Amino acid sequence: DAEITQSPRHKITETGRQVTLACHQTWNHNNMFWYRQDLGHGLRLIHYSYGVQDTNKGEVSDGYSVSRSNTEDLPLTLESAASSQTSVYFCASSESGTDNEQFFGPGTRLTVL
Amino acid sequence: DAKTTQPPSMDCAEGRAANLPCNHSTISGNEYVYWYRQIHSQGPQYIIHGLKNNETNEMASLIITEDRKSSTLILPHATLRDTAVYYCIVRPSGGYQKVTFGTGTKLQVIP
Repeated sequence: DAEITQSPRHKITETGRQVTLACHQTWNHNNMFWYRQDLGHGLRLIHYSYGVQDTNKGEVSDGYSVSRSNTEDLPLTLESAASSQTSVYFCASSESGTDNEQFFGPGTRLTVL
Repeated sequence: DAKTTQPPSMDCAEGRAANLPCNHSTISGNEYVYWYRQIHSQGPQYIIHGLKNNETNEMASLIITEDRKSSTLILPHATLRDTAVYYCIVRPSGGYQKVTFGTGTKLQVIP
């Protein structure tokens, strides 16, 4: 069955380190998204992509970057991790077009010490 | 500005219908209403969406008022597994950058 996976599921890192969170989907969806979820804030959009070589900033993109070199993967990089980036990160994908549901991965819990 | 307003929490007896309200008074003509839910710390799960007509699927029904300023998600026979946070989202027909999930409604189904 098609699915969306995230790795690692849990990560502890230190302030200032570069961290990359992986997201892989097998639905062949063109649209992919990264969200962070913090208590009291719901889910907030970090970056999104409509296809290969396309990336766009969401509402909380500072300190994060993404690249889309193929349809299946959208890795999220924290260039220099900060304690404020301790959060749960969710990746999602959807078919092309805007009237389509998003499928979410299981999440990655990141702790920055 | 928040695009949707939901009560922070609700209780529902097991086996009864759960009616979750959402206000979206600033919705524009080309914006859809979507509902997702998040069980414990899992990734959100799509439930249903609609533009202006009422919708029903195997999970729930969505009732949108005629002026489209509010909607209600109905779980016809709530079970303990429906305990989750439910998010009402208004999504424009073009672009994802303005989509926010907000804090949703925590639905507790009581035995």
